[in-house]
Parts: sequence; C-alpha cells; structure tokens
Amino acid sequence: DTAVSQTPKYLVTQMGNDKSIKCEQNLGHDTMYWYKQDSKKFLKIMFSYNNKELIINETVPNRFSPKSPDKAHLNLHINSLELGDSAVYFCASSLWRDSEAFFGQGTRLTVV
Amino acid sequence: GESVGLHLPTLSVQEGDNSIINCAYSNSASDYFIWYKQESGKGPQFIIDIRSNMDKRQGQRVTVLLNKTVKHLSLQIAATQPGDSAVYFCAERERTSYGKLTFGQGTILTVHP
Repeated sequence: DTAVSQTPKYLVTQMGNDKSIKCEQNLGHDTMYWYKQDSKKFLKIMFSYNNKELIINETVPNRFSPKSPDKAHLNLHINSLELGDSAVYFCASSLWRDSEAFFGQGTRLTVV
Repeated sequence: GESVGLHLPTLSVQEGDNSIINCAYSNSASDYFIWYKQESGKGPQFIIDIRSNMDKRQGQRVTVLLNKTVKHLSLQIAATQPGDSAVYFCAERERTSYGKLTFGQGTILTVHP
C-alpha cells in the first residue's frame, strides 16, 4: 500500500502550458504539503494545508495554486509554465505539526 | 533568515565502517529535528527524529545527537552497508511553524563494498 502517492511521476511540457500534479495520502493525516527540490537537491516548502485549510504559503509565484478537495488529497496546479519551474515536486503529509512528514515519490517536471 | 545545513558535501566509507553525517542549523527557535534518507529517484524517507529536550536518540543502527549550544546535529550510522548509500538531509521545525520543515542541503553518502 502506497502511503503518499503522486501522479504523474514524470511530466514533460512546453513553456506556457498549464499542468496539474495530484497527491493522495491514505495515512489518515490531517496536514499535507508541497515541497520543491531543485537541481542541487535543495528541498523547500511551498504550501501546507491542514484539514483543507491553507496554513503555509511560502513565497511562490501565484501561477502555482494548490487545491485540497478533502484532507486526503492535495493537488498542485501550475499556470503558464516557465523553464525555471523544472524541478522535482514532492507531496508530503503528517499528523499535524507534531510528527514527521511522509513523502511521496515525487513528480519530475521538465519544462522545455 | 533560517538556514540548515551546509553545501552538499560527500562522504565515502567502506562497508562495515561507522558513518557520521553532520548538520548545522541557525534557528534557535527550532524544537524538532529530523534526518531523512533520499535514494535516487525516490522521495525522502524518515530515519530518526529528536526533540529539543533531548540530546541523543538511538534507533536501529542509527543515532542522532543534538547539541543546542552550538546548534549542531549529527547522524551516526553503525556498520554502514551499501544499501545506506543515499543523500541524507537534516531538517528542522520551529514550534510555531505549522509543521514547516526547513531542510539542509544534504550529504551524499557512498558506501564501498
């Protein structure tokens, strides 16, 4: 059973396109996150939702819009993709803020 | 601003040796620290955590040491195995950060048979 699953695993798209990445967790956690990992392996938080409510919104271009239809799902929609958006995007979840975060396998986004 | 860890260093060890991976953090308000292991093509995997009211915690083959005086965290891996080869990240969380983890740059560990 996959605890945190993301789709797709790979995404190659042209500049200017709009794309979405989906994430689901079956751990019963109430907090979900999106992290971005750049080419130097640096991991940085983008967003966090707790029970469908946005609680962390780091300095991210407003072309990135997260959506949480329920507490088990957190999707990431990206408008007008740019070359600099190429990275690996990780979804994660935790039992509120008092425990470790479990990460998905990542979505490697390549913008050409 | 907040920062954890160093530029991506590398550590090469022989199978069976003990490994020590170090991490520096700068946010004195952090009260929770985690070590993650990331294998190629996979997401970070939880190894061990420690809260700021402790200075040492042991798991299976791993030990985390926390020195709050100098804001230093280390991960010790006993009897390192080839399967331990990966990038290791330390991460910190501030009490009021709503679960936000701030990651260091990571250390590449290579274990030679």
